[in-house]
Amino acid sequence: QQPVQSPQAVILREGEDAVINCSSSKALYSVHWYRQKHGEAPVFLMILLKGGEQKGHEKISASFNEKKQQSSLYLTASQLSYSGTYFCGTEGYSGGGADGLTFGKGTHLIIQP
Amino acid sequence: DTGVSQDPRHKITKRGQNVTFRCDPISEHNRLYWYRQTLGQGPEFLTYFQNEAQLEKSRLLSDRFSAERPKGSFSTLEIQRTEQGDSAMYLCASSLLTGFNEKLFFGSGTQLSVL
Repeated sequence: QQPVQSPQAVILREGEDAVINCSSSKALYSVHWYRQKHGEAPVFLMILLKGGEQKGHEKISASFNEKKQQSSLYLTASQLSYSGTYFCGTEGYSGGGADGLTFGKGTHLIIQP
Repeated sequence: DTGVSQDPRHKITKRGQNVTFRCDPISEHNRLYWYRQTLGQGPEFLTYFQNEAQLEKSRLLSDRFSAERPKGSFSTLEIQRTEQGDSAMYLCASSLLTGFNEKLFFGSGTQLSVL
């Protein structure tokens, strides 16, 4: 089942912060975050595993609440290079372990100077 | 590490024709995924392989679609009797699954246009 992302789009001024949310209706083992720029392939940002961990990557961090089946991506002091579409991908459970990665519809982030 | 490569980059075909795409994953990667992406949408899962075994196929996927990974290395995706609704970017991704920790590397995709 496809995770739901919100908001669908965000327009920010350079230096502002943003939060992108991802929620699922199924039990999750992990949440992945990817960024895709126009005309390019998605690029991996980070994985969050069950256990409610939080990760950071420069000024981009994320949290994963396993009980709520939700993850949030935090972008602080946004830079022009952060523009793009952000996708969360979720992995649930199958008989033998983690199943395939299913992506949300994406959140379009536009950073203006 | 030469990355994931896909061939061709673009394919234009007439409705009803068959098309085949190829994906060469990163050499040591054991998992290979096929996704389809249309404008403004996220990658839609089609199928994936672990080594040469096809582990899962999307229930929404028409039986006109078939994928193979004969020796656990490269993979092909074939679409038979193409329809205009098949027009999309077809993305391949590979990963090295260690435990449950998986990072996907995407290829640049094959853009299919069905006329």
